[in-house]
Amino acid sequence: DAEITQSPRHKITETGRQVTLACHQTWNHNNMFWYRQDLGHGLRLIHYSYGVQDTNKGEVSDGYSVSRSNTEDLPLTLESAASSQTSVYFCASSETGIGNTIYFGEGSWLTVV
Amino acid sequence: AQKITQTQPGMFVQEKEAVTLDCTYDTSDPSYGLFWYKQPSSGEMIFLIYQGSYDQQNATEGRYSLNFQKARKSANLVISASQLGDSAMYFCAMTQGGQNFVFGPGTRLSVLP
Repeated sequence: DAEITQSPRHKITETGRQVTLACHQTWNHNNMFWYRQDLGHGLRLIHYSYGVQDTNKGEVSDGYSVSRSNTEDLPLTLESAASSQTSVYFCASSETGIGNTIYFGEGSWLTVV
Repeated sequence: AQKITQTQPGMFVQEKEAVTLDCTYDTSDPSYGLFWYKQPSSGEMIFLIYQGSYDQQNATEGRYSLNFQKARKSANLVISASQLGDSAMYFCAMTQGGQNFVFGPGTRLSVLP
């Protein structure tokens, strides 16, 4: 079965360190997204990609970067982790088209101390 | 710009009763899709139901139905015969073309025995 996997699922890191969260999907979807979820804010879009070599900033992109070198992967990098980036991160993918839903990974719990 | 509003931060319902979760949306595009997702305490995002803007009939999926009122820009989720396992966060979302997904802040549903 096609799926979308995130790693690591849980991570504790120190302020100032670089952190990369991996996302791999086997749906062969063109569109991939990174969201963060915080209490009271729902899901907020960090970065998204509509295809290989395409990346775009979402509403909360400061301090984050992504790259899309193939269809399957969209790693999210925190350049210099801050305590404000403690959150649950969700990777998701979708296919272009009005009736297509978005599929989520299981989430990555990141704590910055 | 697209926007999703869910005005009920929390809802309670008695087991076996029906419950309606409110969702209103704002878009100027005539073509869009509306979704509901469930997030149980384990954290995963589960797709429940989809409604297209041009669909003439309200969507139904088992115990879930979507009360789509296009003129009022509302897409309320109705859960019939609530079960204890329905206790979760519920998110309303909208997309245009399967690419730009916007989520509401969510409603926490608690089903009482």
